[in-house]
Amino acid sequence: GIQVEQSPPDLILQEGANSTLRCNFSDSVNNLQWFHQNPWGQLINLFYIPSGTKQNGRLSATTVATERYSLLYISSSQTTDSGVYFCAVASNTGFQKLVFGTGTRLLVSP
Amino acid sequence: SQTIHQWPATLVQPVGSPLSLECTVEGTSNPNLYWYRQAAGRGLQLLFYSVGIGQISSEVPQNLSASRPQDRQFILSSKKLLLSDSGFYLCASTSGTGVGEQFFGPGTRLTVL
Repeated sequence: GIQVEQSPPDLILQEGANSTLRCNFSDSVNNLQWFHQNPWGQLINLFYIPSGTKQNGRLSATTVATERYSLLYISSSQTTDSGVYFCAVASNTGFQKLVFGTGTRLLVSP
Repeated sequence: SQTIHQWPATLVQPVGSPLSLECTVEGTSNPNLYWYRQAAGRGLQLLFYSVGIGQISSEVPQNLSASRPQDRQFILSSKKLLLSDSGFYLCASTSGTGVGEQFFGPGTRLTVL
């Protein structure tokens, strides 16, 4: 099945810093989503981005489907950005089932 | 947009007891529904998915079962819980076309003692 790798596994930032999270996947996809899991476990949808670039406030994402990677940019980080960021993809063959990466754990300190 | 409800929010159960977790969806009809489990410090693993009433597909062999008695209701069950069933259970939904953004409920944290 499709493989999803996220990097880095852990990231510590000072408040106000910028960061880039990466997601590599092993096959063609028709769905790619970025999630933020907050301390209570809730998965917050950040982006639905199987291709192209999107921006939402301080966050933006780019997926280069032909090269099988996606990037999540966080600018001017805040302590509330702390948590785990997951990338999940679904192959464009067969029934659409999301496969999750192992996540990037982000800690933003004041 | 879709809203997904799950209950209970937390549950502590003894080994060997039965389990029933419920998920309901608002804001869409004929959704595809999914159950995921997340072990502590790990990513999410797909357990079951359903494309319609009474239609259940299992992804991994396990001690759990799922049922979909109504279009927007999805239930996760077990007859006898094992210690290894502990984890965080998330229900998710995609629109009835099956392609597109997947949304998640708030989850149920299950501890089996």
